[in-house]
Amino acid sequence: QQQVKQSPQSLIVQKGGISIINCAYENTAFDYFPWYQQFPGKGPALLIAIRPDVSEKKEGRFTISFNKSAKQFSLHIMDSQPGDSATYFCAASINNAGNMLTFGGGTRLMVKP
Amino acid sequence: NAGVTQTPKFQVLKTGQSMTLQCAQDMNHNSMYWYRQDPGMGLRLIYYSASEGTTDKGEVPNGYNVSRLNKREFSLRLESAAPSQTSVYFCASRSPGQAVQYFGPGTRLTVT
Repeated sequence: QQQVKQSPQSLIVQKGGISIINCAYENTAFDYFPWYQQFPGKGPALLIAIRPDVSEKKEGRFTISFNKSAKQFSLHIMDSQPGDSATYFCAASINNAGNMLTFGGGTRLMVKP
Repeated sequence: NAGVTQTPKFQVLKTGQSMTLQCAQDMNHNSMYWYRQDPGMGLRLIYYSASEGTTDKGEVPNGYNVSRLNKREFSLRLESAAPSQTSVYFCASRSPGQAVQYFGPGTRLTVT
């Protein structure tokens, strides 16, 4: 049973456009929601993260929107660039339970020049 | 700092063979994790170690064993490899009081 569901599986965006990736979770005990970025042949690296006490967090061109009542969160990439082409994973964990990450299935983003 | 390192980078095994994947971190982190990555399934936790001397099962522990050799090193062993264990394996570590996990570059394992 996948506790974190991610969509879409793949996404093609033109340079300068907005990329949007969505995730939904089931376990209401989750209290930490990171997004990881992975380039081919590399390990995932933390991009941005949010806790459920805020509805939005912005870092540069990257924004997480969080809807606690709907148990959904999303990643928005503004002014998408070819260098943003990568696989993006949403995840969730429980802070006082080992911080074991439960990942979504991943979204392969391609930004066309 | 090298961060999290993993060896080997690539490995091909025959069904039934055994091997150990090595992971080391130089960030003085207490917690270490082993994940496997399969297409469309994201990363799934195999085992984790909250501190030196302790290990616990994750979501998909069957067919694997782990050893937390010391604070720096956390190894993953496949005693009798199966084709279903063909995957990319990632090690990660985390500092106490912080939620972020730092990942190694991965080991691509193929079992034929």
